[in-house]
Amino acid sequence: QSVLTQPPSASGTPGQRVTISCSGSSSNIGSNTVNWYQQLPGTAPKLLIYSNNQRPSGVPDRFSGSKSGTSASLAISGLQSEDEADYYCAAWDDSLNVRFGGGTKLTVL
Amino acid sequence: QVQLQESGPGLVKPSQTLSLTCTVSGGSISSGDYYWSWIRQPPGKGLEWIGYIYYSGSTYYNPSLKSRVTISVDTSKNQFSLKLSSVTAADTAVYYCARDMNGLDYWGQGTLVTVSS
Repeated sequence: QSVLTQPPSASGTPGQRVTISCSGSSSNIGSNTVNWYQQLPGTAPKLLIYSNNQRPSGVPDRFSGSKSGTSASLAISGLQSEDEADYYCAAWDDSLNVRFGGGTKLTVL
Repeated sequence: QVQLQESGPGLVKPSQTLSLTCTVSGGSISSGDYYWSWIRQPPGKGLEWIGYIYYSGSTYYNPSLKSRVTISVDTSKNQFSLKLSSVTAADTAVYYCARDMNGLDYWGQGTLVTVSS
């Protein structure tokens, strides 16, 4: 059971806006920044959002992140078929361990 | 461009020690404020952080694996390594090495390690 809680699945139609939540506690999300990863089938994860809401170079601005208290969210606007992937949130905890969420499988209908 | 590549046996017998090496190219492993990390993913399951070694040599391990894990670094070869002892079938997974600065920004392609007799 993951320390960070994500919904196991999410879905949307092309062009739609989808959000994925990530719930933690005061010892992880509440006191540290959140990162988001996208994992396309058969590939290594890719950093999508870092420091709660920053996009690495090359990540489209359709992807955005936010954090409030002990929860965080990833939003994908203008959903595209190539966005179909698994998404993971992650945060350090106060013991300097990295905690991952259980992952959310996004389906583009 | 930084690149990471995992290497090591793809099959390990139960109770033995899993050993993997990550070779870093395109940058020095001893420069910068980086955490060199190992992450694994059992087939069909989510990501699990194993641990990391800081460029200074400090290590941090997942508490659930701490008694079995050792991560070390060889700066002369620009490599860092993972050893996981007393493996069982539950340790079967794709093992990734990655660099962590603000998030895990560079990943290896991953290597599947199967624990089986």
